[in-house]
Amino acid sequence: ETGVTQTPRHLVMGMTNKKSLKCEQHLGHNAMYWYKQSAKKPLELMFVYSLEERVENNSVPSRFSPECPNSSHLFLHLHTLQPEDSALYLCASSQESGQGDYEQYFGPGTRLTVT
Amino acid sequence: QKEVEQNSGPLSVPEGAIASLNCTYSDRGSQSFFWYRQYSGKSPELIMSIYSNGDKEDGRFTAQLNKASQYVSLLIRDSQPSDSATYLCAGGRNTGNQFYFGTGTSLTVIP
Repeated sequence: ETGVTQTPRHLVMGMTNKKSLKCEQHLGHNAMYWYKQSAKKPLELMFVYSLEERVENNSVPSRFSPECPNSSHLFLHLHTLQPEDSALYLCASSQESGQGDYEQYFGPGTRLTVT
Repeated sequence: QKEVEQNSGPLSVPEGAIASLNCTYSDRGSQSFFWYRQYSGKSPELIMSIYSNGDKEDGRFTAQLNKASQYVSLLIRDSQPSDSATYLCAGGRNTGNQFYFGTGTSLTVIP
């Protein structure tokens, strides 16, 4: 595997279900991100982990719960979602030096549909 | 307040022409800027990064940054039909958690 991988690629879940999205990066980076992409909206940064420590939580509802067990893996746990949470969820990684050269590389995304 | 703004287009250019994509940003403290290409149904792909005022060239792509005017642009020379995609401008401060994307500009290159 190379780059950033995400599973599953597609997910349909009911509002009462619990599911998890998985991301793995094979680039040796030290930061990982979750983004939400909805139609006609800019990419929304949800969570950032740098050196396995969460450094950002942009007022994301508690029904989304991130987990970063190590620098290569990132999870997004989902529960009691709403139909408006249907979107493309993207994982990205970068090498953070604190100098601004944080080129982010994206995984293929998980297309989530909440019914 | 939108941190990064792009003309949503759509922009159409004939094959072989120069496509010009523009972006403005509101945070004067921003110092890192990126252009991503996103094909329909795919994830964003990094094509250029620029950190200093001036031009940066990579093959058919040239990124231009003017911090005084808070303006970033991407020029695509000799446009090809395969360049048809949505182009996302992104910028921010010195860490990835202070980073914002524009809504994207849709480009169509007409054969």
